[in-house]
Amino acid sequence: QKEVEQNSGPLSVPEGAIASLNCTYSDRGSQSFFWYRQYSGKSPELIMFIYSNGDKEDGRFTAQLNKASQYVSLLIRDSQPSDSATYLCAVKGTGRRALTFGSGTRLQVQP
Amino acid sequence: DGGITQSPKYLFRKEGQNVTLSCEQNLNHDAMYWYRQDPGQGLRLIYYSQIVNDFQKGDIAEGYSVSREKKESFPLTVTSAQKNPTAFYLCASNLGSGNSNQPQHFGDGTRLSIL
Repeated sequence: QKEVEQNSGPLSVPEGAIASLNCTYSDRGSQSFFWYRQYSGKSPELIMFIYSNGDKEDGRFTAQLNKASQYVSLLIRDSQPSDSATYLCAVKGTGRRALTFGSGTRLQVQP
Repeated sequence: DGGITQSPKYLFRKEGQNVTLSCEQNLNHDAMYWYRQDPGQGLRLIYYSQIVNDFQKGDIAEGYSVSREKKESFPLTVTSAQKNPTAFYLCASNLGSGNSNQPQHFGDGTRLSIL
């Protein structure tokens, strides 16, 4: 079982719709959760981070964390073609100093 | 501007050659990290350093070496022992130490290929 799992996609949504990206993790003691956006050929850039159960909103982005079910999700409201990218979920697990990354979900927003 | 600078952007390695990738940060971060990304894959940890003159192996350290002689710099050497070095190499940093939950920020990456 992979430590951090994401559906590879592609996830295709029409412009203006809500995109929902999901991530599950295996280490129940994980403390911190991050979403990065990566455009093709570029390095990851931080979108959101969340530490506590519940929702955290920042503009069009909402991160949702459910530690009991061991999943974290990212919602993108009013999706734009410029949101088309790969979204990487990263988790800081128990006793680890660095992050463990999922393989990413490719999002395509259709104009 | 504060940030993480990786160089070169593209690098080619010949058979049996060692090559060194540079990573410099002016964010006053204690912790620095090296990751490798293969096409369609997530990032895998090669080495990390929480403080000057100290570093630890990550999940895929074989065939790589690092040094941390200065807080600002964390170069990665890809040795000839790394038989499949073609990948996108990413350097990251964060505050580290008691702030290890803080987000990591990335440089622009170095793309390494075999000649």
